[in-house]
Amino acid sequence: AQSVTQLDSQVPVFEEAPVELRCNYSSSVSVYLFWYVQYPNQGLQLLLKYLSGSTLVKGINGFEAEFNKSQTSFHLRKPSVHISDTAEYFCAVSDRNDMRFGAGTRLTVKP
Amino acid sequence: EAQVTQNPRYLITVTGKKLTVTCSQNMNHEYMSWYRQDPGLGLRQIYYSMNVEVTDKGDVPEGYKVSRKEKRNFPLILESPSPNQTSLYFCASSSDRVPLNIQYFGAGTRLSVL
Repeated sequence: AQSVTQLDSQVPVFEEAPVELRCNYSSSVSVYLFWYVQYPNQGLQLLLKYLSGSTLVKGINGFEAEFNKSQTSFHLRKPSVHISDTAEYFCAVSDRNDMRFGAGTRLTVKP
Repeated sequence: EAQVTQNPRYLITVTGKKLTVTCSQNMNHEYMSWYRQDPGLGLRQIYYSMNVEVTDKGDVPEGYKVSRKEKRNFPLILESPSPNQTSLYFCASSSDRVPLNIQYFGAGTRLSVL
């Protein structure tokens, strides 16, 4: 079975700074990878996903992630964050039958 | 508007009192799923359904039941709630039979069992 590890539980950054949220996964089969965002008191929204093809995936709100098979990673990046990006971010992995989520990374953007 | 609707949003109950959390989607999706979210644990899958009358256990099914009598609805039933079921619950749906395209989550149901 696959699993997901989000390496940072909290990431504080200043506005307009770049940010990277780290995600590593383990799986014995081909996987599909996802990042979701959860704003306060809301459900999860899909930010981006990797199913196949180009390893650099662009999502909504200026986020992107790179699938690195050799390092089994799928880190999320944004070159310049805004206050409105403050939220919890979840990495998830699926093998078509099952989806597993990481524990989440709380991104706090400070003015 | 495409959406997954959960009710109620907030619920406080007592141990042993049966309750149902409803989930409805208006996108004709075949795949639906229930998750619980606990601090430091992320989301864990309770049950999922790939189609009408087809349901299966997720990672943490103990103490829960589900049914899928029609495509749009996927209620979560707690026959005898216990305090360890205090959590934030999310329903989700996907346009595929497998969770490759889970784009829609409900707004969540915060349950407290006293």
